Parts: sequence; structure tokens; C-alpha cells
Amino acid sequence: GAVVSQHPSRVICKSGTSVKIECRSLDFQATTMFWYRQFPKKSLMLMATSNEGSKATYEQGVEKDKFLINHASLTLSTLTVTSAHPEDSSFYICSARGTSGPLAYNEQFFGPGTRLTVL
Amino acid sequence: AQKITQTQPGMFVQEKEAVTLDCTYDTSDPSYGLFWYKQPSSGEMIFLIYQGSYDQQNATEGRYSLNFQKARKSANLVISASQLGDSAMYFCAIGSGGYNKLIFGAGTRLAVHP
Repeated sequence: GAVVSQHPSRVICKSGTSVKIECRSLDFQATTMFWYRQFPKKSLMLMATSNEGSKATYEQGVEKDKFLINHASLTLSTLTVTSAHPEDSSFYICSARGTSGPLAYNEQFFGPGTRLTVL
Repeated sequence: AQKITQTQPGMFVQEKEAVTLDCTYDTSDPSYGLFWYKQPSSGEMIFLIYQGSYDQQNATEGRYSLNFQKARKSANLVISASQLGDSAMYFCAIGSGGYNKLIFGAGTRLAVHP
């Protein structure tokens, strides 16, 4: 099946710094990628939809200037948490939408997630 | 607006037994898809099974089957012959409108006992 990678898998940073998380589709092209946030023992909450070559679409309540998304190529989307604070500590998961196969346009392939801890 | 409800925060099952995880949904879209994902403690989201709203037959994938009752707006996941490795969080999700968004339920934590 399709593989999505995320880097880094874990990151610890000081309050006030910016952190960039990469999401790559390894063996397929993804015009659309999604960024989710998951708090401990909670469900995934969609933060934004990342479209290659255009601006991301953010969900209501998600700060665009806080969570910068860049989808510069068909295989890479990045999420930058700017001026991170302890409340930004969370598990961030990306996914890429498939474009072929029996579940074309239906299935989302998820990355392994990035655990961010802001001290 | 779409909504997914998973009313079972936790479930226990004996190894080799079958278990049903409940999921109900609400949507005004005539075309939609229902998904089940497994999330082990490592955090990765593993796709299990998909059911389209127009599919006539219930979806099956190995030991997983989806009991789709459209009139009741339910899409329960049935895991047959449970294994210890099935212990994980299970999320039901709905997608529509070109599947640009997946809305997830709160999840059910399944524990398989030997």
C-alpha cells in the first residue's frame, strides 16, 4: 500500500521557538494532504487541508499564522508551529489522499505521527 | 454538518471471540463513506475497512466486517476471532463531499484478554 512518512517522529523544543514537521508521500503523488492534531486519549481533529500549489484550507478555530502549512510539491507538505507554547504540545498526524486504486479519492493514508513537546 | 458517535469508550473481549464496536453517524450528504481505523499505542493510523453509502453489500476485509445499517445510520465494526494484537484504539470516521474531510469519532479502546 501507499506509504506516508513524517519527520521528525518526536521533537522537544523550548517555548517561543518554531518547529517544522514534514509529511512525505513516498510512493505516490498526493495533491491533497491533511493535518490532524490529537490530544492524549482523544480523537483526531482536522486542522487543515493542504493542497499542492495553493493555500491551505484551515478548519474553524485553527490559527493560520500559528500553524503554517506549505505544500510545495506533490510529495511533500510541511507544518510549521510558530512560536510554540506548552499548549501546542500534541501528537500531529498527516495524511495523504489516494488518487488511484479501488478506493481512489476515498482512502487517506496516514503518516506515523509527530509527538511535539514544548517546554 | 457531519457527526460520528462512538458510545463505547472501552471494550473487553476474550481471545478468539468476536467483538462488535459501535458507530453511528449523522450526515445530510446523500453520498458518503464510512471508515474504520485502528490506532495501536505506537500512534500510527491503520486503515481497516471502508463502506460506501451506495454499497449494497456489507464490506468485509479478512477478520473485519462492517455491519452497515443505512436506515439506522450505523456502521458497526465486527472483529472475528480476536487476537492479542487487536488491542488498540479504534476510530470510526465519515467522509463526504469528495472525501475532502474525514470526521472522526471519539474512539473505542479495545482490550483483548488471553
